[in-house]
Amino acid sequence: GEDVEQSLFLSVREGDSSVINCTYTDSSSTYLYWYKQEPGAGLQLLTYIFSNMDMKQDQRLTVLLNKKDKHLSLRIADTQTGDSAIYFCAESRGDDKIIFGKGTRLHILP
Amino acid sequence: DTEVTQTPKHLVMGMTNKKSLKCEQHMGHRAMYWYKQKAKKPPELMFVYSYEKLSINESVPSRFSPECPNSSLLNLHLHALQPEDSALYLCASSQDFGGYTFGSGTRLTVV
Repeated sequence: GEDVEQSLFLSVREGDSSVINCTYTDSSSTYLYWYKQEPGAGLQLLTYIFSNMDMKQDQRLTVLLNKKDKHLSLRIADTQTGDSAIYFCAESRGDDKIIFGKGTRLHILP
Repeated sequence: DTEVTQTPKHLVMGMTNKKSLKCEQHMGHRAMYWYKQKAKKPPELMFVYSYEKLSINESVPSRFSPECPNSSLLNLHLHALQPEDSALYLCASSQDFGGYTFGSGTRLTVV
């Protein structure tokens, strides 16, 4: 079956790195995504990784994929107050259906 | 234009009302989606249109009726809704699998 799991909460001090983890069960997942949702807003695509890659870096964001363990992580360097949001991990098998995790609420401590 | 625009932003309707949610994109994306999101939950897929044809219906009750009049527009017609249908309704579009662009949603309250 299809399932995407994430921890629900993460607290990080401003300026530190945040690491949000995700595991998925579908071995035929082709694309893996990280979305950000701020209160009252829609979802913003932060980054995505194709399943034949193991790392992708984009400015402060680093995505690591361990396909053997079906583990995906998002690292946010130098976490800022504006990074406070819910982060959704999601996967797709290459059809038009995306499966979302329950989301990790990132709280920034001063 | 790199946005998905949804109207209205907020909607309150009675259980006997008929209303419509609208979604528009001008990015030339081939696929458009409706998602439903309850508070503190992930988005749940409702419908997918690909090249203006309905390709996925996730067993959504018939009181929700999607319509894709052209490649830029997607509507969701609502009729005889229940209070538990209150949620944030999100529209999204995509061209390929490298990224889905979401609108900011319509917050629907059924009274």
